[in-house]
Amino acid sequence: QKEVEQDPGPLSVPEGAIVSLNCTYSNSAFQYFMWYRQYSRKGPELLMYTYSSGNKEDGRFTAQVDKSSKYISLFIRDSQPSDSATYLCAMSEGGGYQKVTFGTGTKLQVIP
Amino acid sequence: SAVISQKPSRDICQRGTSLTIQCQVDSQVTMMFWYRQQPGQSLTLIATANQGSEATYESGFVIDKFPISRPNLTFSTLTVSNMSPEDSSIYLCSVRGQTQGNEKLFFGSGTQLSVL
Repeated sequence: QKEVEQDPGPLSVPEGAIVSLNCTYSNSAFQYFMWYRQYSRKGPELLMYTYSSGNKEDGRFTAQVDKSSKYISLFIRDSQPSDSATYLCAMSEGGGYQKVTFGTGTKLQVIP
Repeated sequence: SAVISQKPSRDICQRGTSLTIQCQVDSQVTMMFWYRQQPGQSLTLIATANQGSEATYESGFVIDKFPISRPNLTFSTLTVSNMSPEDSSIYLCSVRGQTQGNEKLFFGSGTQLSVL
């Protein structure tokens, strides 16, 4: 079993839809949770960063962490064609220089 | 944040040859990280490059296959040696930087390597 599981998609949604991206994990020591967005032929860029459980909102994006279920989600409201990218979840046991474990990524396509 | 320049952006190489990938950061950093991103696979850390010392390799990666140089605090190279088609992948350089009071990973644009 992989430490982090993520549905690879692809996920196609119409413009304006609410998108839900999810990851499950097995390591209960993970405390830091991140979402990266990766456009084609580009490196990943940090989108959201959360510590422990709870929600964090940033504009159209909401990151949710449920440590009891070992489940994290990224919600995108009012999705735009510019949101079309691969979304990677990532997590680590500690901040700083702790090793980061990534999911395989979910490819999202938002259709105009 | 950190701005990372990586080159080449892509290359097509013959089996048995070697390719050196360069990574330049716009600020001094203690550690630089090299990742591999294979199709359908998660980002996998190859090694951590420290200035002034030998790189630290993750399990499954060896120095003979992926030699790394780190001559100063803003630059590193990764060489993929004696390539085979299984080495076809995206290779990414990464550094840690501060944003909004927290330390995060920043990535270069990657090198798309295809081995024939």
